[in-house]
Amino acid sequence: DADVTQTPRNRITKTGKRIMLECSQTKGHDRMYWYRQDPGLGLRLIYYSFDVKDINKGEISDGYSVSRQAQAKFSLSLESAIPNQTALYFCATSLGVDTEAFFGQGTRLTVV
Amino acid sequence: AQSVSQHNHHVILSEAASLELGCNYSYGGTVNLFWYVQYPGQHLQLLLKYFSGDPLVKGIKGFEAEFIKSKFSFNLRKPSVQWSDTAEYFCAVRIYNQGGKLIFGQGTELSVKP
Repeated sequence: DADVTQTPRNRITKTGKRIMLECSQTKGHDRMYWYRQDPGLGLRLIYYSFDVKDINKGEISDGYSVSRQAQAKFSLSLESAIPNQTALYFCATSLGVDTEAFFGQGTRLTVV
Repeated sequence: AQSVSQHNHHVILSEAASLELGCNYSYGGTVNLFWYVQYPGQHLQLLLKYFSGDPLVKGIKGFEAEFIKSKFSFNLRKPSVQWSDTAEYFCAVRIYNQGGKLIFGQGTELSVKP
């Protein structure tokens, strides 16, 4: 089983719909991150969380919100999806500043 | 603006050629440095990391990188690439004075011709 699991793996949604991407981890890490990947732009940080009560905006948080329901779960929501949010989304975890980040398999989101 | 810059967007090499991918960052203070690889259709996997100590770090699959603090650089190298190295490579920087935020470069696509 994967240590960092993202669901769904693929999703097509319509403009204006609310959608939630979920991430869960079994690594016992305290830090969790959401990134989006776009061709030529690399990975851009959307939100990150250092523990359940600590949520921080990243580089491109507009149009997104997050919830850290437990140490092991970190969800990303698009309240009203728009086509330019079509991207590959990755969740990652790390243990403090002592480890590298470990990535999930990604969620490919298409907004039509 | 603070950033992580990868100089090459797309690199094309023949097998056995040497590889060097550039990475520069503009953050001051203490940083951790990483190179990740993403094979087609897969998630990111760690190639190597620098936390402290010897600035020349060795990673998996024959890759190495050198941290040059004065140049804010962390370039990735491999003496002889293989077709299986075809992938996208990302440099990343963890910024201590920003709470350990992890920022990625734009990525470099490497194509190795057999």
